[in-house]
Formats: sequence, C-alpha cells, structure tokens
Amino acid sequence: RKEVEQDPGPFNVPEGATVAFNCTYSNSASQSFFWYRQDCRKEPKLLMSVYSSGNEDGRFTAQLNRASQYISLLIRDSKLSDSATYLCVVKDSGYSTLTFGKGTMLLVS
Amino acid sequence: DAGVTQSPTHLIKTRGQQVTLRCSPKSGHDTVSWYQQALGQGPQFIFQYYEEEERQRGNFPDRFSGHQFPNYSSELNVNALLLGDSALYLCASSWDTYEQYFGPGTRLTVT
Repeated sequence: RKEVEQDPGPFNVPEGATVAFNCTYSNSASQSFFWYRQDCRKEPKLLMSVYSSGNEDGRFTAQLNRASQYISLLIRDSKLSDSATYLCVVKDSGYSTLTFGKGTMLLVS
Repeated sequence: DAGVTQSPTHLIKTRGQQVTLRCSPKSGHDTVSWYQQALGQGPQFIFQYYEEEERQRGNFPDRFSGHQFPNYSSELNVNALLLGDSALYLCASSWDTYEQYFGPGTRLTVT
C-alpha cells in the first residue's frame, strides 16, 4: 500500500469550474500535511499547509480528517494559471522528511 | 537573497558511469534533503544531511551517497548508473526541521 495516494488524473476543467482533489495517507503518526504545486519541468512549491480545522487561502480550501487519514484541496473559480500538478505531501515526526503522493494534473481550458 | 541553487541543470551519462550533483542551500539554512522524481511520479526522499552527517535515509541503494560541507552546501553522488536512475533530482534546504525550499533540480538522463 502506497504511503500517500492521490486521485489519478488528469482533471480537465473549464475556466470558472470548481475542482476537488483527494488524498489518503497510511501513517497515522503523520504530523503535518501540505499541498504543493508543480509546474511542468519545475520544482514543487508549497501551495498551502493543511490543518485539522480546515483552512482557506483565496480560492483554495484545504481540509484534513485525521480519523479517516484523508486530505482534500478545493479550487474554486479555476483560472488558466491553475494548470499544474498538485502534490499531496505528508511530513512525519522526526527530521522533516516529506512523503509525496504521485500528484494529480489539472488542466484548465 | 538567493534561493536554493543546483548544478548542473541537465546532464547526460552512460550506464555504469558515476555522477555528482551539487546543491547550495538558501541563506541561513543548515539542512539539505535530496529527492528523486521519476517521470510521472512524485518526489521520493533519498537522504538528508545536517551538521555534515547523513541524518536520515530513504529506501535507496548504497550507490547513492552524499556529502555536506562546512558551508552547508551538499553533493549527491550516484555510482554505477542504471537506466532507471534517469530522473529529476531535487535538493531542498531548510533550517533544521522547518519548511523545506526546493531548488530547480538537475535533470539526469542515463543512456
């Protein structure tokens, strides 16, 4: 079983659409959770951290359910510039190494 | 303030050869982590260096080794290259266990 699993993509959506990404993780001791964005052939960049209470940053909303070991990312009013691969990332206790999911590609047209 | 830098940007090697990749961390950072990202996959953790020692290691063979210098810069060495080593190699720096910042990566092609 993979440690971090994400929806397979790609997701093709029109501008203005709302799109949701789902992610599950296997290590119940995981402590921190993130969504990263990666543009084609570029490095991953932190999009937002994910907290149990849920958090919002403009058009982006992230949710964490520790009991279900489930993380989500909602993008509202999609823009062309949102086209990228979205990586679900988990950080365990200890030395801050990150475990990445495979990523889900989003294509907004 | 320069971010994380990596060199070279691209390189092509032949099976069996050895390669060295380099990383300079963001100013003020003392920890360097290396990741391998194969095409269509998420980055996979190789190892992390702190205070010039390998502090943690992922599931990679001994062909992958590294070093951290007193100025916190780091090298990743891969011996006896295999076709499957072709990937984007990402370096990330942080201050101890805090947020990691990624460099632009080195794209390695093994033929």
